[in-house]
Amino acid sequence: DTEVTQTPKHLVMGMTNKKSLKCEQHMGHRAMYWYKQKAKKPPELMFVYSYEKLSINESVPSRFSPECPNSSLLNLHLHALQPEDSALYLCASSQVSRDETQYFGPGTRLLVL
Amino acid sequence: GESVGLHLPTLSVQEGDNSIINCAYSNSASDYFIWYKQESGKGPQFIIDIRSNMDKRQGQRVTVLLNKTVKHLSLQIAATQPGDSAVYFCAEAKGFQKLVFGTGTRLLVSP
Repeated sequence: DTEVTQTPKHLVMGMTNKKSLKCEQHMGHRAMYWYKQKAKKPPELMFVYSYEKLSINESVPSRFSPECPNSSLLNLHLHALQPEDSALYLCASSQVSRDETQYFGPGTRLLVL
Repeated sequence: GESVGLHLPTLSVQEGDNSIINCAYSNSASDYFIWYKQESGKGPQFIIDIRSNMDKRQGQRVTVLLNKTVKHLSLQIAATQPGDSAVYFCAEAKGFQKLVFGTGTRLLVSP
C-alpha cells in the first residue's frame, strides 16, 4: 500500500476562520511533509516531521501550524489566512533516511476568500 | 545559487512516439534525483529515481539518464500514450529530506 490520503479534497474559508487539513499514511513511514503548490508551479516544502517531531520549518508564517499526533497522522491547522494562501496543499511521507522517495497524497485545494 | 530547471515548458507528441523531457541542475554535489508525474487535480506520482553513482536507470517504458559532466537529467518515455499526458517534474535531493522541484514540463499526447 503506497497510499497517502488527505481530507478534505476542497476547502473554502474566510480570513477569520480556523480550519484544519488532515493527512494519513499506513506505510510505516516515520517522515511526513507538507508542501504548498500554487497553480502552474512546482511544490514547495513547508514542514517536515521525523519521528513525530518537527525537523524542518521552511520559514512558514505562523498562521500555518503543523501537528503530528502519531506516526500515521499529520495535520495542518490554518488560522487568519490571506487570499494569497490559496493553493493546493500536498502531504507526503517517506522513510527517515537520506535519499528516500517521498510519496504524495492527492492534496487539498484551499481557497481563502 | 542552486536551482533545478527544465528546458521546455510544453512538449507535444503523437501517440506512439518516444518522449524526452529534460532537466538541468546546478548543484554538482547532488546525488539523488527523482522524476514525478502530476496529472490534473492529483498529487505528484513517483515515476523513477536515480542516484549519482549511476548514469542510466530503466523502468517500465521509462528511462532516466544522468549526465553529471553537464549536470543534466532526462526522462525518456517509450511509445507515449494519451494517459502519459501530465506535468512532469524532476526533483533534486537538497540535503536531508529536502526535495527541490524543477519548474515542470507539460507533456501533451495527441492520438
